[in-house]
Amino acid sequence: DAGITQSPRHKVTETGTPVTLRCHQTENHRYMYWYRQDPGHGLRLIHYSYGVKDTDKGEVSDGYSVSRSKTEDFLLTLESATSSQTSVYFCAISVGRETYNEQFFGPGTRLTVL
Amino acid sequence: QKEVEQNSGPLSVPEGAIASLNCTYSDRGSQSFFWYRQYSGKSPELIMFIYSNGDKEDGRFTAQLNKASQYVSLLIRDSQPSDSATYLCAGGYSSASKIIFGSGTRLSIRP
Repeated sequence: DAGITQSPRHKVTETGTPVTLRCHQTENHRYMYWYRQDPGHGLRLIHYSYGVKDTDKGEVSDGYSVSRSKTEDFLLTLESATSSQTSVYFCAISVGRETYNEQFFGPGTRLTVL
Repeated sequence: QKEVEQNSGPLSVPEGAIASLNCTYSDRGSQSFFWYRQYSGKSPELIMFIYSNGDKEDGRFTAQLNKASQYVSLLIRDSQPSDSATYLCAGGYSSASKIIFGSGTRLSIRP
């Protein structure tokens, strides 16, 4: 599992509440990613980070923000959760060979917004 | 718009046969390609990557890349029930180490 943990693993919340998901890695990789996975859509990139305090948007970034204050932690925040953000969220890291870009995934967080 | 296309399946293959999974991509800027296996309720697991035209073999798995046709495939020989999963194809771009995923093909190996 490339030393990646995600917390919480499951969360149920209500519309309009803020939610923060945490991704933690133990191997000092520079690149970290947040994806969401929904039936019929595969994995879609929300945000990614290429270093401490260096982040950028992915294809489905609306309604999400991220922060990376330490190399090992990448936080995803839903400022005001909506039912459309019910999904499985995966964190991933890239192991540094930029031309090949292999990514390895954490165990995922299942989020339900009621 | 960079896209990776896969047939969603399900693809049903008898045990012991060869399973063939296919993927096309739209952007010739893609430099590397990946196959991930995902069991239900689990995270994607990288099983193969390829970046040169031709074949790459690893055990029962062979990845094939044809850049002229913008086509990637994965062959699984001697299919086993444990190969039943969803297989995700992805294309990589050197900028920001990003990869674009297809929506996956569900493979079922029948005894």
